Amino acid sequence: KNEVEQSPQNLTAQEGEFITINCSYSVGISALHWLQQHPGGGIVSLFMLSSGKKKHGRLIATINIQEKHSSLHITASHPRDSAVYICAVNSGGGADGLTFGKGTHLIIQP
Amino acid sequence: DGGITQSPKYLFRKEGQNVTLSCEQNLNHDAMYWYRQDPGQGLRLIYYSQIVNDFQKGDIAEGYSVSREKKESFPLTVTSAQKNPTAFYLCATKRTDSSGNTIYFGEGSWLTVV
Repeated sequence: KNEVEQSPQNLTAQEGEFITINCSYSVGISALHWLQQHPGGGIVSLFMLSSGKKKHGRLIATINIQEKHSSLHITASHPRDSAVYICAVNSGGGADGLTFGKGTHLIIQP
Repeated sequence: DGGITQSPKYLFRKEGQNVTLSCEQNLNHDAMYWYRQDPGQGLRLIYYSQIVNDFQKGDIAEGYSVSREKKESFPLTVTSAQKNPTAFYLCATKRTDSSGNTIYFGEGSWLTVV
């Protein structure tokens, strides 16, 4: 079973700072997902990556398949970015092959 | 608007009672999933259904039951056999296309058993 580790577990930063959240996994994957969970619980899918880099607005996600590592970056962070960010990987095994990290709790202070 | 609707958002029940959580989708996705989230833990798969009239146990199916009589609906029943039912429950669907798999989540249901 794939092990997914996220770091840091908690991150507090000032508005405008550049944010990096990391995700490492133990077994080769077909895809990696970055998810955002707001207070109240709803989850939104931010990115699905199988290689390289994707950008959406102020969010950038990268993945290094050889190193089994992905990063989520937030540029010019804003208090509305405060949320839990979850990494999930498709390993191909199991029902949907998704293994989830425990999440990174991000707080952006004004 | 297309999406996933979970209800109720908040539910309180007495210990020993069965509870059914609703999940409805109008995305026309075949695959549907139920996850459980506990504080400080990653989401864990309870049950999944890849097609109507078929469903499979996930990693933590004990004490839960589901049905999939319609493509749009995948209700989850938390039975009295579930030893620790208080948790946040998320329903999800999956779209598969040429770009891969995209997961869509509902807003979740908070279940508290007292």
